[in-house]
Amino acid sequence: AQSVTQLGSHVSVSEGALVLLRCNYSSSVPPYLFWYVQYPNQGLQLLLKYTSAATLVKGINGFEAEFKKSETSFHLTKPSAHMSDAAEYFCAVSGSHLSDYKLSFGAGTTVTVRA
Amino acid sequence: DSGVTQTPKHLITATGQRVTLRCSPRSGDLSVYWYQQSLDQGLQFLIHYYNGEERAKGNILERFSAQQFPDLHSELNLSSLELGDSALYFCASSDNRGEAFFGQGTRLTVV
Repeated sequence: AQSVTQLGSHVSVSEGALVLLRCNYSSSVPPYLFWYVQYPNQGLQLLLKYTSAATLVKGINGFEAEFKKSETSFHLTKPSAHMSDAAEYFCAVSGSHLSDYKLSFGAGTTVTVRA
Repeated sequence: DSGVTQTPKHLITATGQRVTLRCSPRSGDLSVYWYQQSLDQGLQFLIHYYNGEERAKGNILERFSAQQFPDLHSELNLSSLELGDSALYFCASSDNRGEAFFGQGTRLTVV
């Protein structure tokens, strides 16, 4: 079984400041890890994914995340926040085989960006 | 555009009724997943189909059922609806690499 915990349900940052969203996972099998973004009244868009290759993963819109097995973490960062980054972000985990690709999501973190 | 199409976008229905949500996956994807997003439960996995066969079940109520057809589109049937079934229902499709692409969702309101 897999699960994720997102630390902090709300994060507020100033435009141009670092964005850091925390995610810790639990998995009994080698995990695949994902970050998704959801804008109001929209579906989920994949930001980036870890599938057991490089531990530092770069995604779209300037986001990146680092897989740290020793800390069971997969935190999401962006060096400089933009107003368009205001959205809800979800960390998710799955297994690494076809029969176990279903996603388990965290509770989500809402990001607001102050001008 | 993810390539996954869900219809309808919005649905308002009364308690006790039955509705069908439809999902067309990305071209070539054999897997279809259904998820429910609600304020109290968050995003929860409901069911997974692969090439017409059920592969995994999550927190899906007995009043809910799904199927995947030979053309790979899928339908989620919700019956004896209750107020608590009001939620956003997402369909996602994936290829064999495990990356899921989500549709825009169907917002179900039960009144």
